[in-house]
This record gives sequence, C-alpha cells and structure tokens, in this order.
Amino acid sequence: GQNIDQPTEMTATEGAIVQINCTYQTSGFNGLFWYQQHAGEAPTFLSYNVLDGLEEKGRFSSFLSRSKGYSYLLLKELQMKDSASYLCAVRDTGKLIFGQGTTLQVKP
Amino acid sequence: DGGITQSPKYLFRKEGQNVTLSCEQNLNHDAMYWYRQDPGQGLRLIYYSQIVNDFQKGDIAEGYSVSREKKESFPLTVTSAQKNPTAFYLCASSIAASAGGELFFGEGSRLTVL
Repeated sequence: GQNIDQPTEMTATEGAIVQINCTYQTSGFNGLFWYQQHAGEAPTFLSYNVLDGLEEKGRFSSFLSRSKGYSYLLLKELQMKDSASYLCAVRDTGKLIFGQGTTLQVKP
Repeated sequence: DGGITQSPKYLFRKEGQNVTLSCEQNLNHDAMYWYRQDPGQGLRLIYYSQIVNDFQKGDIAEGYSVSREKKESFPLTVTSAQKNPTAFYLCASSIAASAGGELFFGEGSRLTVL
C-alpha cells in the first residue's frame, strides 16, 4: 500500500527554526518532494531529494533517509509569510503521491 | 511565458450535470496530472497521463474522465456519477512521469455544486 504521514498542524515563533517530519511507505520510490501551499493557491516547489542526506536551499533544507522512509523539511529564521501548508510528496512509479499536508502557523 | 493554464477558475454546477475543466500547458512536458483537494486536506490523484493518447487512473478516478489527444491539453470531466464533486481541482505537468522533475501546477479550478 501507499502511506505518507505528516503532522496536521504546527506552530512556531517568528525568527525560530521548525522541523516538519514526513514518513512514507510506497511500493516504489523515485524521489521525495516538498511543496509550500498558501491558502487558496496552487502548491509551489520547495525541494527534491532522491539520495540520502541533506539538501540546503537558503532558509529551507530537506533531509532524506530512504532506509527509514523518512524525510524532514527544516525552515530557519521563520518569517510571518512562512505561514502556509507544507506538503510532502513521493514519486512512485510515474505518479506523485501527496501526504495530507502540515499547516504551519508562525506567530510574532 | 511558459506555464499551465486552468479554466475556469470558479465554476458552479447543478446536481446531475457534467462539467469539463480545461488544462493547457506550453512547457513541452510529457506528463500531466489532475488532483483534487478538499478543505484542510492534501492532494489526491484523480488521473495522470505519461504520454499522448494514454492515461492511468489515480486513487479517486470514479466519477471522472479524461482525454489526452494533444500533448498540451489534458481536460478533466466531472460527471454526474461523482457523488461529492465540490472541491478545488489542480492540474499539473512534469517533464516525464518517471523522471525526477518536479510538478508545475496551474492556479486551480474551484468547483461548487449547488
């Protein structure tokens, strides 16, 4: 079967660091993606991991462990505009499967 | 500019009516996808197409139909058989379904059944 799990909601303070976890079980694996989605808008691409390890892109970093079926998205120096949903997605033999998303609220 | 265009952005439908959502891309992407999103939920895959004249069912294909007659176009028809069609529909494309390229999304179509 296919299963991608993320926490439903998280709250963090402006300027802080937050880590959003994602665990997955899929029949195939050809990469893991993180997307950001503001309310009522389309998702926008944040990061892609296909090999184990950490990928850093500015304030955002993403980590992957294929043996553990685990990834996390790390957001540093949080800003109010980072309040959004963060979607973890796994590419499984031609299709991209999404988790239910984590709604992050950044407070002053 | 290259991108994905969905239309209409908002659509109202009476129960029992079929409705077709348009999705066009000029990115020269081989793969195209349709997702459905309900409030507070993630994206669920309806149909996807890896190449012209071919498509596969996703996790929630019942009550929907698609066609892929041209590389640029992947319209979705929401039929009267879909029991709860009110949702936000997102079309996406990628270079190839099996490759690692990310999905590019259109702005979405919000369908409301009255």
